[in-house]
Amino acid sequence: SQQGEEDPQALSIQEGENATMNCSYKTSINNLQWYRQNSGRGLVHLILIRSNEREKHSGRLRVTLDTSKKSSSLLITASRAADTASYFCATDSLSGSARQLTFGSGTQLTVLP
Amino acid sequence: ETGVTQTPRHLVMGMTNKKSLKCEQHLGHNAMYWYKQSAKKPLELMFVYNFKEQTENNSVPSRFSPECPNSSHLFLHLHTLQPEDSALYLCASSPYPRGRQYNEQFFGPGTRLTVL
Repeated sequence: SQQGEEDPQALSIQEGENATMNCSYKTSINNLQWYRQNSGRGLVHLILIRSNEREKHSGRLRVTLDTSKKSSSLLITASRAADTASYFCATDSLSGSARQLTFGSGTQLTVLP
Repeated sequence: ETGVTQTPRHLVMGMTNKKSLKCEQHLGHNAMYWYKQSAKKPLELMFVYNFKEQTENNSVPSRFSPECPNSSHLFLHLHTLQPEDSALYLCASSPYPRGRQYNEQFFGPGTRLTVL
């Protein structure tokens, strides 16, 4: 079974609204990362949160991490049509190789103008 | 652009063909990866190379053959593929980790492969 599971699978909002995506995982982690993928393109790293951090901000992005619940959330504030993409969480497991990440299935976000 | 390039961007091949995918990174990284991304499925890690040495092979069929001649270049040789191998193949690289907190990956744009 996969490490990261995003929820919801798809999300559609109006421009200007906030978008929240969630990620749950199973094993203990060193860090959790969020990536974005535009249709048919490669993934782009957005933000990394370490296991001893609870919240992190980057521009319009806010990431939280709850290691007791093994979950993370990505909040995009004041969304724009250009934010339309798939968003993936990826975990670096404590038991795994430092060079491997495990990706979830992603949340497809559509921001309507 | 992330500094990771992939060629070709699109490839259509028959089941009896032999083709190769190429990845090049200009970031000075020493770890490189091949992933397979199929519709409605999570990213599947195929191979990992660290300093040109293969460190992971996640039960990938032998019709996929990786090659890493140096830390900047990675190839995926394809032969006698099946239609279910049609997918987006992504290459990624990452720097030598300064501790596990800095192991983000940088992806290329991918090669869209269609096997007829």
